[in-house]
Amino acid sequence: DSGVTQTPKHLITATGQRVTLRCSPRSGDLSVYWYQQSLDQGLQFLIQYYNGEERAKGNILERFSAQQFPDLHSELNLSSLELGDSALYFCASAFGQGNTGELFFGEGSRLTVL
Amino acid sequence: GENVEQHPSTLSVQEGDSAVIKCTYSDSASNYFPWYKQELGKRPQLIIDIRSNVGEKKDQRIAVTLNKTAKHFSLHITETQPEDSAVYFCAALLGGTSYGKLTFGQGTILTVHP
Repeated sequence: DSGVTQTPKHLITATGQRVTLRCSPRSGDLSVYWYQQSLDQGLQFLIQYYNGEERAKGNILERFSAQQFPDLHSELNLSSLELGDSALYFCASAFGQGNTGELFFGEGSRLTVL
Repeated sequence: GENVEQHPSTLSVQEGDSAVIKCTYSDSASNYFPWYKQELGKRPQLIIDIRSNVGEKKDQRIAVTLNKTAKHFSLHITETQPEDSAVYFCAALLGGTSYGKLTFGQGTILTVHP
């Protein structure tokens, strides 16, 4: 158990819909990262937050947004869903704001868009 | 653009043999290179990492080498065991700062046959 909690574990929805994925980092960790893992795309970096502020941004679509709340949990919002958004979405946390340290991944949220 | 290339995409070895996975990166300012192991249906976990001021690092049967001039780094697993079977991801911290994007390679599916 990494100490990172992601909900829901599985989610099935239809195209055009909107979903919210939730992540609680390890106790004491201030950074939260979101990654998308598709079958043929490896782990794609989406976005990073540190103590409530956005720190780094990857190839995150405009239809996607995220935020980190004062209690340090984070939410990833995916809207106007398309079939291609079906993937495993990982949240990871780390203590510092930099990336030169171990990321602790959650178990992931598997999104299926029908 | 900024990316990390990983080869091979699949690797099959006999138990006891060595396995080598190679990655190249595009950003010469990259300074941190971790390797993650993802077992089937599980979350990625850090197995070893190396920083740009070091050329090689070992941890029991696992070693990582870094060639900054050529911008490539490799994972070496000796005396492979069936439990080493997993997907291995290399990553590089692009941007030259501690806030950069931790970008992953496409992954290598390693299968160790008993």
